[in-house]
Amino acid sequence: DVKVTQSSRYLVKRTGEKVFLECVQDMDHENMFWYRQDPGLGLRLIYFSYDVKMKEKGDIPEGYSVSREKKERFSLILESASTNQTSMYLCASSPPAGGIYEQYFGPGTRLTVT
Amino acid sequence: GNSVTQMEGPVTLSEEAFLTINCTYTATGYPSLFWYVQYPGEGLQLLLKATKADDKGSNKGFEATYRKETTSFHLEKGSVQVSDSAVYFCALSGTYSGGGADGLTFGKGTHLIIQP
Repeated sequence: DVKVTQSSRYLVKRTGEKVFLECVQDMDHENMFWYRQDPGLGLRLIYFSYDVKMKEKGDIPEGYSVSREKKERFSLILESASTNQTSMYLCASSPPAGGIYEQYFGPGTRLTVT
Repeated sequence: GNSVTQMEGPVTLSEEAFLTINCTYTATGYPSLFWYVQYPGEGLQLLLKATKADDKGSNKGFEATYRKETTSFHLEKGSVQVSDSAVYFCALSGTYSGGGADGLTFGKGTHLIIQP
């Protein structure tokens, strides 16, 4: 079974803090993704990566950065957390081949910025 | 750009009722289509998928057919159970392409509540 794990289920941070959200997958997938999920907005893509050290912007990259130093690990970084970044963050991974394969999701990290 | 529209709900049904959750999309090219389900407190799980026109995806009694002529991928189940209560997301691939990766475009989700 594919497993995607996220470092924390719940996280509370203060405005202005630097926040790291970690995601690890164990299926040797090339592609990894970060989404945020908000009520009434569904899931929106923040960043994705198709290879080590490669990254691409999604819909809403502002205020975020990512790091992919190893194939199995994809980190989302909030350089200076703000209250409007309070959300559920979901990581996903998939094999390559143009979108015909589904993405496998982690359990999510619910981040609260106070 | 690509987009997905689905009924938001909440949709409340009695156990054993027939379920339809509508999903329509706008896309260039030939995307793959997916239904994901999110149970309370959990991440998303793939429910079913279809990769080309007229394909039917099915799983756990749920079905959806990729209709290119109506740009739709409606989710159906003949007899729902309390355990089907969850949020259902329709999604399509091919929106963001980079090096072989495809980000998904999601609908806003439909909250389904099944009452005993």
